[in-house]
Formats: sequence, C-alpha cells, structure tokens
Amino acid sequence: GAGVSQSPSNKVTEKGKDVELRCDPISGHTALYWYRQSLGQGLEFLIYFQGNSAPDKSGLPSDRFSAERTGGSVSTLTIQRTQQEDSAVYLCASSLDQGKETQYFGPGTRLLVL
Amino acid sequence: QKEVEQNSGPLSVPEGAIASLNCTYSDRGSQSFFWYRQYSGKSPELIMFIYSNGDKEDGRFTAQLNKASQYVSLLIRDSQPSDSATYLCAVIGTGGFKTIFGAGTRLFVKA
Repeated sequence: GAGVSQSPSNKVTEKGKDVELRCDPISGHTALYWYRQSLGQGLEFLIYFQGNSAPDKSGLPSDRFSAERTGGSVSTLTIQRTQQEDSAVYLCASSLDQGKETQYFGPGTRLLVL
Repeated sequence: QKEVEQNSGPLSVPEGAIASLNCTYSDRGSQSFFWYRQYSGKSPELIMFIYSNGDKEDGRFTAQLNKASQYVSLLIRDSQPSDSATYLCAVIGTGGFKTIFGAGTRLFVKA
C-alpha cells in the first residue's frame, strides 16, 4: 500500500508569509507525528496526534506554529509569519498506534524562508 | 543534559568490520527504544527496536539495552559500504508517545 505522503516536497517563501504543510498518513494508522530536522541535526519532536487529538503540543517552538488533524487522517502543520530560523525539513510519520509501534516517515517538506 | 545523546562521529570502519554505535538517555522511565538509519537527503527508516534488557539480533544487526545504565547500542557486523549513513537513536519516554531522537552518529564504511 501507499506510504506516508507529504506536500509540498519543497517550499520557498518570504519572511513573514504563512505556510501550510500537509501530511497523508498510511491508511489505518491512528498515530501521527510531526518533526523538524535542521541541516545536520537530529529530529526535533513538534507534536503528536492520536486520532484527531493532540495530547502533547509542548514541542511546538512558538505560538506561530499550529497543527490539526481531521477525520483521523490528513494533518496540516501551519507556520504563521515565517522566520528564517524556520527553514528546515519538516517530517511527518505515522504508526499503527502510539507507544511501541514503528513510525513510518514521509519524504519530508523542505522549507526555505528567505 | 540532552535527553538522548549520541556521539556525532563520524565513525569510520573498514568493510567487514564491526561498527558499534552507542546511545544514552536521561528518562529512566523510558520503555521503547529504536534505531533508525537515515541516508543523506532521505527520511529515516527503522533498523531495529528493543524493549527488554539484553540483546536482540536481526541479521547483521544486534541491539543491546541496559536500562540500569540507561544505555542502548547497535552493533553492525560485517559492515558494508551500503551501511554508510547516519544512525539515529530514538526513545519513547514516560507517557508512552513523545519520541525523542538523538542527533545521530554518522557512519562511514570504507571499501
């Protein structure tokens, strides 16, 4: 079956603009994760969804970041008033359930804020 | 102190040798531990997971977990040039869902 998909694959935007990143998890996966990876760095946890609920939003870097998930499937990560330090690869992963389950990663969205 | 620490490397080993990758974590209540491999410009992919103390073997890979020492390692036997990548240690802490990744160890296997 299809894996995790993300769109757009690349996004170049100007400082101060809003951007919306989309993640389509593997069908049937109830858990969905967003991470950020800066060049040469590890993955930074942003937010986790179990179904449509986000039990832990503490990883979001600032109130400019928000995320939602609808229908227990597609999720969008929105960054308002983008800053240059937001430039990174944003990775989405899904798993069958929370906790012990393996996370399957999407190809990522490469965001560049000029 | 970082929650999950790894030596950034690079770790360089000759083809056919054993590569040893190490990871320590700070949350003593952590229950699930994962090793992911990430090729340059690609997304991480799971190599192994381990939940219990001791060793777990899968082909050329062996994961070792010592919860008392808060230490998890990955051994790669008969290393191949295709094993050259960044290896990420990931830990699911107390609470059961927040996954913390280490910064990764870059491995180079020389032919």
